[in-house]
Amino acid sequence: DVKVTQSSRYLVKRTGEKVFLECVQDMDHENMFWYRQDPGLGLRLIYFSYDVKMKEKGDIPEGYSVSREKKERFSLILESASTNQTSMYLCASSLTSGRGSEQYFGPGTRLTVT
Amino acid sequence: GEDVEQSLFLSVREGDSSVINCTYTDSSSTYLYWYKQEPGAGLQLLTYIFSNMDMKQDQRLTVLLNKKDKHLSLRIADTQTGDSAIYFCAERFDSNYQLIWGAGTKLIIKP
Repeated sequence: DVKVTQSSRYLVKRTGEKVFLECVQDMDHENMFWYRQDPGLGLRLIYFSYDVKMKEKGDIPEGYSVSREKKERFSLILESASTNQTSMYLCASSLTSGRGSEQYFGPGTRLTVT
Repeated sequence: GEDVEQSLFLSVREGDSSVINCTYTDSSSTYLYWYKQEPGAGLQLLTYIFSNMDMKQDQRLTVLLNKKDKHLSLRIADTQTGDSAIYFCAERFDSNYQLIWGAGTKLIIKP
């Protein structure tokens, strides 16, 4: 079974703090994704990575950065957290080919910025 | 541009069929997906359909694709309380591996 894990289920941080969200997958997938999920807006892609040290901006990259130093790990960084970054953050991974490149999701991290 | 639209809510009685609809704007999509998100959990792939198919059946689930109208639907027969979730429609293009997501439809089951 593919497993995607995220470092925290719930996180509370203060405005201005640096925040790290970690994601690890165990299936040797090339692609990894960070989304945020907000009510009525569905999933919006923040960043994705198609290989180690490679990254591409998604639809809403402002205020975020990412790091992929190892194939299995993809980190999302909020350099200076703001209240409008309070959201559910979902990590996903996929193979480049096969089965329509199904994305496998982690359980999500609910981040609250106060 | 690319856009995927879904209703935000659907309410059905237990035992009835649920039909969740999705429309998309780009006809060059190659795969269309339905994902399910149960409360407090991440998303799980429920089923998918390749763009050259018009129907796919998997137990209680039936996916219908009307390419001419760019309309995708998910029918759940004999809806159970365990089907309560948010259902996301997504499309993928052959040119890349990103998915374009709908906003999700929350399925509410009435006893």
